[in-house]
Amino acid sequence: GAVVSQHPSRVICKSGTSVKIECRSLDFQATTMFWYRQFPKQSLMLMATSNEGSKATYEQGVEKDKFLINHASLTLSTLTVTSAHPEDSSFYICSAAPLGAGNTIYFGEGSWLTVV
Amino acid sequence: GQQLNQSPQSMFIQEGEDVSMNCTSSSIFNTWLWYKQDPGEGPVLLIALYKAGELTSNGRLTAQFGITRKDSFLNISASIPSDVGIYFCAGQEVNRDDKIIFGKGTRLHILP
Repeated sequence: GAVVSQHPSRVICKSGTSVKIECRSLDFQATTMFWYRQFPKQSLMLMATSNEGSKATYEQGVEKDKFLINHASLTLSTLTVTSAHPEDSSFYICSAAPLGAGNTIYFGEGSWLTVV
Repeated sequence: GQQLNQSPQSMFIQEGEDVSMNCTSSSIFNTWLWYKQDPGEGPVLLIALYKAGELTSNGRLTAQFGITRKDSFLNISASIPSDVGIYFCAGQEVNRDDKIIFGKGTRLHILP
């Protein structure tokens, strides 16, 4: 089946620094990828829609200047958490839909971010 | 953000029992998806439903896309220990540009 890979799977960073998370579709192309955040024992909350070659679309309440999204190719989207704070510690998950594959969405393995 | 109404929130069952969970929405969906998430991992797609009334099976799992397009259920038959985890329903609203929204999850526990 379709594979979406995220890197790194776990990252610890100091408060005030920035960290980048990559989301790659390994065996398909995707013009759109999605970034979710999941706090412990909660559901996935959509943060933003990453559009290849154009600006990302952010959900209400998500700071676009803090969560920078770049979708430079049909197989890669990156999420950069800038000036990270401990409250940004969370599980970040990306998803993507293969072109022409209907509405099926596949998820990456997720990235644990801990800000200390 | 908007979420689906998923129930029950958690279930404690004996191994071998059947399980049923469901999701409802106040708006019409054109896709219903069911995922399972193990601790520390991303969700894994179990079943995808694209048409109202569609009934689809994947091994011991069966899911249906409600006729009203506002609900879906997932059944697991003859549960086994590896079924433990969190099950999420997810759906795409009509005209929402492929956005997927999620239920809050059903946490399945299997008693020894």
